[in-house]
Amino acid sequence: DTGVSQDPRHKITKRGQNVTFRCDPISEHNRLYWYRQTLGQGPEFLTYFQNEAQLEKSRLLSDRFSAERPKGSFSTLEIQRTEQGDSAMYLCASSLLTLRTYGYTFGSGTRLTVV
Amino acid sequence: EDQVTQSPEALRLQEGESSSLNCSYTVSGLRGLFWYRQDPGKGPEFLFTLYSAGEEKEKERLKATLTKKESFLHITAPKPEDSATYLCAVQAGDGTASKLTFGTGTRLQVTL
Repeated sequence: DTGVSQDPRHKITKRGQNVTFRCDPISEHNRLYWYRQTLGQGPEFLTYFQNEAQLEKSRLLSDRFSAERPKGSFSTLEIQRTEQGDSAMYLCASSLLTLRTYGYTFGSGTRLTVV
Repeated sequence: EDQVTQSPEALRLQEGESSSLNCSYTVSGLRGLFWYRQDPGKGPEFLFTLYSAGEEKEKERLKATLTKKESFLHITAPKPEDSATYLCAVQAGDGTASKLTFGTGTRLQVTL
């Protein structure tokens, strides 16, 4: 399977705990993106990497959120001191340098529930 | 700020009953307009990219068109397997080269 993989698929955590999600992009894709999607809404941009460099972060991204992409391969998204408002589907996507023909390829997401 | 508005929010069609979904947008220099399909519990699946007014793309029963202010996704003779949420997104040409701004989607249900 050469798609985008995300782990775990589901995560339930207590408020105040830290959580970390992993994304493995399509191997030849050099761009990797994180989006967040809540029920009934479209995906909302969080951040993106080109190779290992984090090139853009959303103004909406709280300091409790941090993302890394060591060596330009897989990426992790960590949320510290989770809040109930963090409950959402966290989507990872990857692409070639240009979106022109194929757009992003999304993973199936990690659904986070903060209780 | 880039904005994408999709209508209707939900649409119920009988099998074979053709219709159109609308995506209107406001963006500072459109670099691309994207259509995605999303099934429950899954990530969005890429359908089309459109780049300039007048452009059209087709895939099976789906046809996407683009004007300077909006895009339409036409569904011809839909089948139950076309039931999904259809998302529209825009890529701006203002330096945020890879960020997509999504609409809230149209939930399509096709019944027998």
